[in-house]
Amino acid sequence: DAGVIQSPRHEVTEMGQEVTLRCKPISGHNSLFWYRQTMMRGLELLIYFNNNVPIDDSGMPEDRFSAKMPNASFSTLKIQPSEPRDSAVYFCASRNTGAAKNTGELFFGEGSRLTVL
Amino acid sequence: GNSVTQMEGPVTLSEEAFLTINCTYTATGYPSLFWYVQYPGEGLQLLLKATKADDKGSNKGFEATYRKETTSFHLEKGSVQVSDSAVYFCALSDPNTGGFKTIFGAGTRLFVKA
Repeated sequence: DAGVIQSPRHEVTEMGQEVTLRCKPISGHNSLFWYRQTMMRGLELLIYFNNNVPIDDSGMPEDRFSAKMPNASFSTLKIQPSEPRDSAVYFCASRNTGAAKNTGELFFGEGSRLTVL
Repeated sequence: GNSVTQMEGPVTLSEEAFLTINCTYTATGYPSLFWYVQYPGEGLQLLLKATKADDKGSNKGFEATYRKETTSFHLEKGSVQVSDSAVYFCALSDPNTGGFKTIFGAGTRLFVKA
């Protein structure tokens, strides 16, 4: 079975440019999470969706960050405009929170490493 | 609020040494507890979990016991291998969100020398 798929794996851009990160969750999973990982702050939850609806975006650092989930198989995280301090690895994770299949386990993608110059 | 605290790394061991990575948590209610592992260049993956007090999770020679009285979930392995070099994250499912959100510790990097 395919795991969580993220693209791009690596992105290098200049300050001020728009960045779009993409995620395809595991088929059948109804919850999706975006995390950011840095050396200084560790793993931070940015936003999560349940059944395509944003539930909690309190971790989104600024208005420059936005996320969408137009359908059950696709989500985007956008940064506009990007800044050097946004450089990090961004992870998407999914899980099934249906009562019968909820093991609590999160399934992570391989991450998108963003460098903003 | 609910939180997870784990020992700072890096931890450096020789092959076949005994490993302990300490983890304590603060939570209202009864969270599930997890250990995730992150190998270089990869995402996190579940190593083991425990869902209630006194449960022992185990996988690949690693084990951890859910200790409610000490609010701990320490990770142990009797004999580490070079291939165990990775970052280990302790985590809990946040009871305040019905277990929806997962709260992670800062991670502990393990180096195993041949």
